[in-house]
This record gives sequence, C-alpha cells and structure tokens, in this order.
Amino acid sequence: AQKITQTQPGMFVQEKEAVTLDCTYDTSDQSYGLFWYKQPSSGEMIFLIYQGSYDEQNATEGRYSLNFQKARKSANLVISASQLGDSAMYFCAMRELSNTGNQFYFGTGTSLTVIP
Amino acid sequence: DSGVTQTPKHLITATGQRVTLRCSPRSGDLSVYWYQQSLDQGLQFLIQYYNGEERAKGNILERFSAQQFPDLHSELNLSSLELGDSALYFCASSEPQTGGNEQFFGPGTRLTVL
Repeated sequence: AQKITQTQPGMFVQEKEAVTLDCTYDTSDQSYGLFWYKQPSSGEMIFLIYQGSYDEQNATEGRYSLNFQKARKSANLVISASQLGDSAMYFCAMRELSNTGNQFYFGTGTSLTVIP
Repeated sequence: DSGVTQTPKHLITATGQRVTLRCSPRSGDLSVYWYQQSLDQGLQFLIQYYNGEERAKGNILERFSAQQFPDLHSELNLSSLELGDSALYFCASSEPQTGGNEQFFGPGTRLTVL
C-alpha cells in the first residue's frame, strides 16, 4: 500500500482564491509527522508546513494551513489567497519511525497552476 | 537560498562509473539527509546522518554509500552506475532542535548516466 497518496495530479486555481490539495497517508504508528513541500519549476524543494500526529491544532504558516483529520488519515494543504508564484509542484510527505530510524515517504505530487 | 550547498550542479557520466556528490549543510545544522528524485520512483529518502553518524537508512542501494565528515559536510558515493540511477539528488539539513521537522534542501545535483 502507498504510504502517501495524492490523488490530484493537476489543479487550477484563480488568483486570490483558496485551494485545497489533498493528501492521505497510511501508517499504524501513533507518532508520526506530516509535511508539505513546494517544488517550483526551478527544481528546488521548499519546506512549507509540518504537523505532528499529537498536535491537536492544525498547523498554519502564513497563507498555508494543514487540515489534519487524524481519523480519516488525511493531511490536506490549504493555500489561501493564491498568488501567481504559488504555481509549482506540491508534495505531501510523512515521517515515521522504523527499526532503521526515521523514514520519510513522499507522495507523487500535485501540480498547481494559478490563473491570473 | 536555503543555505545548503551541493556540488556539482550537473554530472554526466557513463554506466559502470563511480561519482561523488557533495553537500554542505547550513551553519549549525547537524543532520544531513539525502534524497533521490527520479521520474520512475518519485522522491525517495536514501539516508540520514547526524553529527557524523548514520542515523537512518531508507531506500539506499548497496552500490551507494554516504558519510558525514567532522566539519559536517556530507558525501554521497554512487558506484557501478546504471541508467536508472539518473536522477536529481537532493541533500537537506535540519537544526538539532527541530528533530528534522523542518528540512532545508539544497539545489540538488542532476546526475545523468549515459
């Protein structure tokens, strides 16, 4: 089974609108971490936001918020007031502990295009 | 600019060869992570070092090895290269206090195996 599933290969959003990028995860651990990264066309990976499995409140970082629904095992990224510079690939990732240390799993990504 | 540097930026080599990728973490960061991003496999975690010691191992092939030196820079060695090793290799670093919750990625080394 996939550890991280991103079901939206591509998304479009109008500038200044909000957009939600979906992510579901699969783990039997009680303690894990969830991440979102942005990868612009230039190729670099940019950390956006982190949510710990024990965090009771949804994480927020500026215009980014993580809608964490533990029972559903979902960790959707919400980008508010989209900007043209938000056009990029977005990856959801999870950290869980294994017998070989922390393991990191990434989804296949969602390509977001912001339309002027 | 994340503060993480990687050299070289591009590398073209032939099958069967060996290459070394280098990473310098941000000042003060003790952890270094290596990732591979390819069209076939997507993003994969390879290995983590913390203050010179291997801390975690992911999907790293036996042909690959890494180390972290006393000055905290890290090298990823890829040997007996195959066409399928062509990928973008990222290094990331994190502060001790965050436990890896926030990782800063370098610009990557794009490896092409011909």
